[in-house]
Amino acid sequence: GAGVSQTPSNKVTEKGKYVELRCDPISGHTALYWYRQSLGQGPEFLIYFQGTGAADDSGLPNDRFFAVRPEGSVSTLKIQRTERGDSAVYLCASSSQGSPNYEQYFGPGTRLTVT
Amino acid sequence: ILNVEQSPQSLHVQEGDSTNFTCSFPSSNFYALHWYRWETAKSPEALFVMTLNGDEKKKGRISATLNTKEGYSYLYIKGSQPEDSATYLCAFSTGTYKYIFGTGTRLKVLA
Repeated sequence: GAGVSQTPSNKVTEKGKYVELRCDPISGHTALYWYRQSLGQGPEFLIYFQGTGAADDSGLPNDRFFAVRPEGSVSTLKIQRTERGDSAVYLCASSSQGSPNYEQYFGPGTRLTVT
Repeated sequence: ILNVEQSPQSLHVQEGDSTNFTCSFPSSNFYALHWYRWETAKSPEALFVMTLNGDEKKKGRISATLNTKEGYSYLYIKGSQPEDSATYLCAFSTGTYKYIFGTGTRLKVLA
């Protein structure tokens, strides 16, 4: 079956611009996660959705970052007033349920470059 | 702060060589240890989920061991092939949905 997909695969934007990154989870998966991998680091947790609601957004670095999942499927990560430090690979993952017993399946990521 | 470390950061091996790398994690509050293989421009692929101290898992030429008491896991690749070239990530879980990742080991297998 289809895996997790993310669009775009690459995004180059100028400092100060607004960007949206999209994640299509595996059909039927209720849990969705966003991670960010900065250069030289491992992926870091940003936010977790269970259904339509953000169950934990403690990893979002500041209020320029926001994510939605209005119908409990597709999610959009939104970044306002981008900064060069936002350059990273943004990974999305989904699992059939949100407990730790359910494996997280990852998308290929969106590479964001802020110039 | 929970810290997961992987070593080496990168390595090059010749085709046919066997190799191994390490993931070190906190020995307290352990729930599971995940290994992923991440090829460029592809999705990280789950290799193993390990939960019990002393676990050994195998998938083809790749195997992994787990020591939760001392907080480490080894990943072994026997007879490396060019298609094994990838970044290998480990992720530690304390029993919540948050995975805590290491920085990865970048493996390059030279033909």
